[in-house]
Amino acid sequence: RKEVEQDPGPFNVPEGATVAFNCTYSNSASQSFFWYRQDCRKEPKLLMSVYSSGNEDGRFTAQLNRASQYISLLIRDSKLSDSATYLCVGDSSYKLIFGSGTRLLVRP
Amino acid sequence: GAGVSQTPSNKVTEKGKYVELRCDPISGHTALYWYRQSLGQGPEFLIYFQGTGAADDSGLPNDRFFAVRPEGSVSTLKIQRTERGDSAVYLCASSLGSGLGDEQFFGPGTRLTVL
Repeated sequence: RKEVEQDPGPFNVPEGATVAFNCTYSNSASQSFFWYRQDCRKEPKLLMSVYSSGNEDGRFTAQLNRASQYISLLIRDSKLSDSATYLCVGDSSYKLIFGSGTRLLVRP
Repeated sequence: GAGVSQTPSNKVTEKGKYVELRCDPISGHTALYWYRQSLGQGPEFLIYFQGTGAADDSGLPNDRFFAVRPEGSVSTLKIQRTERGDSAVYLCASSLGSGLGDEQFFGPGTRLTVL
């Protein structure tokens, strides 16, 4: 079983839609969690950090449920430019442990 | 300022050959990491340097893989006797330190293809 698991998608949604991605992790010792965004043939870039009760940044909201070992990312009012792969990431000290990614396609 | 750079951007080699992949971290970043990303997967940790020393090389798949960072800045990942299964994108990342608040910044990667 992978340490971080997420639905690969793809999620195909119209512009303006709200979309939610989920992720589960198995290492209860992980302290920090992140969502990274990766465009096709590009490097991953940090989208948001998710600490304790979660946080919001504009149209993006990330939640962490430690009891269920579950992380979510909510994107409101989707834009065409949100099309990318979203990687759920936990840490193991300095190491980043990546999920396989969820692909999002936002259509006009 | 300049981000993490990696060279070459693409490398095609034949099975059994030796390859070197280079990473230039962000200036002043003491921590450097190598990850490998296969098609359809997330990046997987290979090795972590703090300064010049490899603090954790537990992710290196076998003894054909080796990495150095002799002066605490540039790092080279070396792969001997390449195999087709080594084909992947090799990503380098650096961070100011290695604490919880230290974001890892990734380079564009080297796409290695072993024929």
